[in-house]
Amino acid sequence: AQRVTQPEKLLSVFKGAPVELKCNYSYSGSPELFWYVQYSRQRLQLLLRHISRESIKGFTADLNKGETSFHLKKPFAQEEDSAMYYCALSGRSGAGSYQLTFGKGTKLSVIP
Amino acid sequence: SAVISQKPSRDICQRGTSLTIQCQVDSQVTMMFWYRQQPGQSLTLIATANQGSEATYESGFVIDKFPISRPNLTFSTLTVSNMSPEDSSIYLCSAGTAKYEQFFGPGTRLTVL
Repeated sequence: AQRVTQPEKLLSVFKGAPVELKCNYSYSGSPELFWYVQYSRQRLQLLLRHISRESIKGFTADLNKGETSFHLKKPFAQEEDSAMYYCALSGRSGAGSYQLTFGKGTKLSVIP
Repeated sequence: SAVISQKPSRDICQRGTSLTIQCQVDSQVTMMFWYRQQPGQSLTLIATANQGSEATYESGFVIDKFPISRPNLTFSTLTVSNMSPEDSSIYLCSAGTAKYEQFFGPGTRLTVL
């Protein structure tokens, strides 16, 4: 079974400080991992995916297969980064199709 | 990309009744999904809505409780049947693929009294 763990429910940092949102996963196959974000009063949207190896809004995430982690990082937090962040893993479900399994989410609060 | 709308945005229902949630996508998409997000919990996939055939349900979800329709490539409905307070959740529709990107609707906040 696939599982995604985000150990922190809430993370508060000061503006300009570095941010790291932790994500660990469990999956027997080759994982594809994503970070989704939900800003206040907005819908859930894709932030970045590991396969693209891109930086979005200053955020990066590296897949570490040895540690089964996909932590989200940003060197200098901005107030507009305050949001709910969900780590998600794409893998085959019991029904055979690909499905997204989400972590419980981490609420990031950037203090001005 | 795809823009997804859901109706209703919220509802308060009585125990034992049923509610149908509509999901409309602004373009034809192959895959549509329904999720549930219970208070304080993560998103859980209920089922994949298949166009022209029965939905594929995940473990713990059954068609009698959550019947789903998908008459075409842009529209799907989810019915929450014989509701109880435990069904109080946010229900989300999404479209896209699990392997690349899914686009989410705004959600339907359901409260069952």
